[in-house]
Amino acid sequence: QVQLQESGPGLLKPSQTLSLTCTVSGGSISSGGYYWSWIRQHPGKGPEWIGYIHYSGNTYYNPSLKSRLSISVDTSKNQFSLQLGSVTAADTAIYYCATVVSGYCSTGTCYGEYFDHWGQGTLVTVSS
Amino acid sequence: DIQMTQSPSSLSASVGDRVTIACRADQNINRYLNWYQQKPGKAPKLLIYGASKLQSGVPSRFSGSGSRTDFTLTISSLQPEDFATYYCQQCYSAPNTFGQGTKLEIK
Repeated sequence: QVQLQESGPGLLKPSQTLSLTCTVSGGSISSGGYYWSWIRQHPGKGPEWIGYIHYSGNTYYNPSLKSRLSISVDTSKNQFSLQLGSVTAADTAIYYCATVVSGYCSTGTCYGEYFDHWGQGTLVTVSS
Repeated sequence: DIQMTQSPSSLSASVGDRVTIACRADQNINRYLNWYQQKPGKAPKLLIYGASKLQSGVPSRFSGSGSRTDFTLTISSLQPEDFATYYCQQCYSAPNTFGQGTKLEIK
């Protein structure tokens, strides 16, 4: 059973760079079976997909964040990381890492991607 | 981006009730629709993918249906542990997007 744990600073000032790391246990990030994703959730709102990465380094970003966003992977440490630049109060949220099962077809039915394992989440507050 | 709208936003029900939550997409998403359950202070948990496929380990009282733009999540007989917030998510086109949530409360 894959387990994920987010880590990183919980408090940032406006204009700083948000940096979070997700440590994966119970499975190898290089196994190729998953993409590795970041998702955030503003208080009282639905989750928002940030982006994901494959162990090969291929990345997919939410266009709304793309200009400030970088996701990287470190297979030697079984970790992947998020960097979001020029943060504002609007970036205050709970940040989750999660595994992504990519879309596939089985017995004539096709399924889109879904998030099946999640970390516990870490609250990031942006405040001066 | 595809907009997902859930109804109702909140719902009060009793243990043993049958409950239905609706999710509507603003364009055709075929059956590329997932459902999650979230309890306070916890991460969302996948319940259903592909509109109706139950994730492994999820009780059979949960079911999903629908296609194109209109989808439902049904809980056939509410249990105490089912009181939570439920989210739909479309995975038809990037970026995938979530609904605003339906909070299921004890009556």
